[in-house]
Amino acid sequence: GAGVSQSPSNKVTEKGKDVELRCDPISGHTALYWYRQSLGQGLEFLIYFQGNSAPDKSGLPSDRFSAERTGGSVSTLTIQRTQQEDSAVYLCASSSLRGLQETQYFGPGTRLLVL
Amino acid sequence: DAKTTQPNSMESNEEEPVHLPCNHSTISGTDYIHWYRQLPSQGPEYVIHGLTSNVNNRMASLAIAEDRKSSTLILHRATLRDAAVYYCILRDERGGSNYKLTFGKGTLLTVNP
Repeated sequence: GAGVSQSPSNKVTEKGKDVELRCDPISGHTALYWYRQSLGQGLEFLIYFQGNSAPDKSGLPSDRFSAERTGGSVSTLTIQRTQQEDSAVYLCASSSLRGLQETQYFGPGTRLLVL
Repeated sequence: DAKTTQPNSMESNEEEPVHLPCNHSTISGTDYIHWYRQLPSQGPEYVIHGLTSNVNNRMASLAIAEDRKSSTLILHRATLRDAAVYYCILRDERGGSNYKLTFGKGTLLTVNP
């Protein structure tokens, strides 16, 4: 079946502009995660959505970052007034959350470059 | 959170077995050991996980030390497609914030033809 998809695959923007990154999780998966991977760094957790519960936003680096998940499916990560340090690969993952050790399925990521 | 330690890099030859070590000396009794890998220009993918007993699946085997302070991911016959960064991650089964994966630097595996 279809995996997690993300769009766009690549995004180049100018400093100060807003960007929106989209994630389509695997159908039926109730949990959705956003991570960020900066050049040469490990993956950093950003935000987690689970069903209708309040999202865990504890990993968002600043108030310029926000995310929504509409209808329990598609999610959008928005970065306002982008800075050069926001350049990274933004990865989305989803899981069925049938158990605490459930597998997370990752999308291919969106490569963001802020000039 | 319990931490893991992995070598920065390892090399292997195609068709040979690869043993990727992970140390987790502060592991708690409720921590599962998970392995993910990230191929170049792709998102991470799940490989295997276990608690106490050794585990096998179509991708790899996981050997867990009796004291659980270390584990080894075993690729039985490395292929060029196995070249990736391999991450060893601990996840507490009791809940809390364990839903998120905490990635370290991982081990960069190079497979030589």
